[in-house]
Amino acid sequence: KAGVTQTPRYLIKTRGQQVTLSCSPISGHRSVSWYQQTPGQGLQFLFEYFSETQRNKGNFPGRFSGRQFSNSRSEMNVSTLELGDSALYLCASSLLAGGIDSNEQFFGPGTRLTVL
Amino acid sequence: AQSVTQLGSHVSVSEGALVLLRCNYSSSVPPYLFWYVQYPNQGLQLLLKYTSAATLVKGINGFEAEFKKSETSFHLTKPSAHMSDAAEYFCAVRKTGGFKTIFGAGTRLFVKA
Repeated sequence: KAGVTQTPRYLIKTRGQQVTLSCSPISGHRSVSWYQQTPGQGLQFLFEYFSETQRNKGNFPGRFSGRQFSNSRSEMNVSTLELGDSALYLCASSLLAGGIDSNEQFFGPGTRLTVL
Repeated sequence: AQSVTQLGSHVSVSEGALVLLRCNYSSSVPPYLFWYVQYPNQGLQLLLKYTSAATLVKGINGFEAEFKKSETSFHLTKPSAHMSDAAEYFCAVRKTGGFKTIFGAGTRLFVKA
């Protein structure tokens, strides 16, 4: 079974631009979560989707948004990019919604975004 | 509010020596606790998780962790380090009701030959 796929793997943008990152979960998984990883702030939760509904959101500005499609694929969008948005963006998928003991998140390799 | 503290941003051990990575958490309710490993240019891989079933949790690759409520700790150990264990390790906490996970700052493990 294929793992979590994230595209693109690397991306370079300039300040003020917007970017869309894509995540394809493991087949059959319905939950997708996004995390931002930076050297300064570490790993931070962005948002969580289950069955096309956002269930949780982290403390990020409104420039960060996401959505989930009926096939469970998810996209996150960052508008008006800032230098500080340079990070590794990780997507994780899970079979069920969060809060169930046996439910495990499987992480993709991430998208490395560089903002110049 | 939940938080996770990993003591030591870098830990160096010799091959064959004991690995001990420290993690302390704060949570107002019994949480789910996790240890993840991250290799360069890769995502996170779950090593083990505590979900209140047993205080001593065994994970993959010979790692284990013990949940100590009185000390609010969840330290990760491995009896004998291998070169392939060199990576960054993250302790994380999560409440029930979602996947909003709080990660520690990470500990980079170096293994010397």
